[in-house]
Amino acid sequence: DIQMTQSPSSLSASVGDRVTITCRASQDIRNDLGWYQQKPGKAPKGLIYGASSLQSGVPSRFSGSASGTEFTLTISSLQPEDFATYYCLQYNSPPRTFGQGTKVEIK
Amino acid sequence: EVHLVESGGGLVKPGGSLRLSCAASGFTFINAWMTWVRQAPGKGLEWLGHVKSEAYGGTTDYAAPVKGRFTISRDDSQETVYLQMNSLKTEDTAVYYCMVITGDYWGQGTLVTVSS
Repeated sequence: DIQMTQSPSSLSASVGDRVTITCRASQDIRNDLGWYQQKPGKAPKGLIYGASSLQSGVPSRFSGSASGTEFTLTISSLQPEDFATYYCLQYNSPPRTFGQGTKVEIK
Repeated sequence: EVHLVESGGGLVKPGGSLRLSCAASGFTFINAWMTWVRQAPGKGLEWLGHVKSEAYGGTTDYAAPVKGRFTISRDDSQETVYLQMNSLKTEDTAVYYCMVITGDYWGQGTLVTVSS
């Protein structure tokens, strides 16, 4: 099974900060990776698919990139509505696997 | 507009069974690989399994913790996917979501509590 190692598990940041979250796959998953945002009590919402393609309606301050088995979600300028928990998901092969999550908190 | 509506959650005793349903609308259900994901209280997201579209054989894959206990099935005529959960354990307590990875469609979730 493919393991997804997500880091950090949490971070504190201020509005306007640049934030980077990383997921590392235990083996090649090509670019079969998505990023999701979840707010308390709500279903997750997709931000990125195919490692770097923005889901419809997602602000352009969100971006994704890939280098080998390392994937990065970047928020270029953190906004108040971005404080949430973020997850990566590999969908290259079953069983699909989520990263452990990164909670982005207000500094 | 896309809708995924889960139902069937509730309180069940350890060792018991429960069947969740997810009614879909607003997209081409027959082409979708339908996925179940859960989230235990205060924990992260966990992929449980999926059922492929009939064009891909309608076969299923499962995560190790639920393989042999949970069964995913679909009724394309009713545009509904099911999650049959048997031999439930306390650690199966979670909010259960149905979703479609391609298209990023999610239901609102249904809570399953396994407790004596």
